Amino acid sequence: EVQLVESGGGLVQSGRSLKLTCVASGFTFDNYWMTWIRQAPGKGLEWVASITFSGGNTFYADSVRGRFTISRDNAKSTLYLQMNSLRSEDTATYYCTFVYGGSYFDYWGQGVMVTVSS
Amino acid sequence: EIVLTQSPTTMAASPGEKVSITCRASSSVGYVYWYQQKSGASPKPWIYETSKLVSGVPDRFSGSGSGTSFSFTISSMETEDAATYYCHQWSGTPWTFGGGTKLELK
Repeated sequence: EVQLVESGGGLVQSGRSLKLTCVASGFTFDNYWMTWIRQAPGKGLEWVASITFSGGNTFYADSVRGRFTISRDNAKSTLYLQMNSLRSEDTATYYCTFVYGGSYFDYWGQGVMVTVSS
Repeated sequence: EIVLTQSPTTMAASPGEKVSITCRASSSVGYVYWYQQKSGASPKPWIYETSKLVSGVPDRFSGSGSGTSFSFTISSMETEDAATYYCHQWSGTPWTFGGGTKLELK
């Protein structure tokens, strides 16, 4: 069974850092690009960042480029999101997801809440 | 950036009623994808490549469209269909989502 389990969220002050983790299981992790998508409270979905199979290429939304870093450890089947210089507008639930069998985000984690206080 | 605009943003439908949601793109896209999200839960893929149903999705759901105009339809509303639906494109970067349509049961 495919599972994605996020952790690392919490309450943090504006300007500080936080690192999210997504532990994957039930599939061959290094065969798939991985993606972070977030959702501000009561708002819609926003793509944040993606990373290729080996981690050699990364892609970011303009809103987080230069502040967030996506990375992965294929030996540990784990995806990360290092978030620096956090802002109140980064307050959201962050989901780890990937495209497994088709052309859409098949599997999603349960989400992890990040709250940035000013 | 390709902006996806959904309408309506909220709506209510009675059981058995037909539901239609529109997703308009600011530039032409190849396909749109639709996700269903219920309160407190993670999104679920629902329709892919504009008109194909994800496995397990009832056939009362359908999708259509091309270019910049797409639609999502429920032929006959059921209680379990109350949720928020998002359209999504990844024809152009950054990948974007529509603002969502909250569908409530009347």
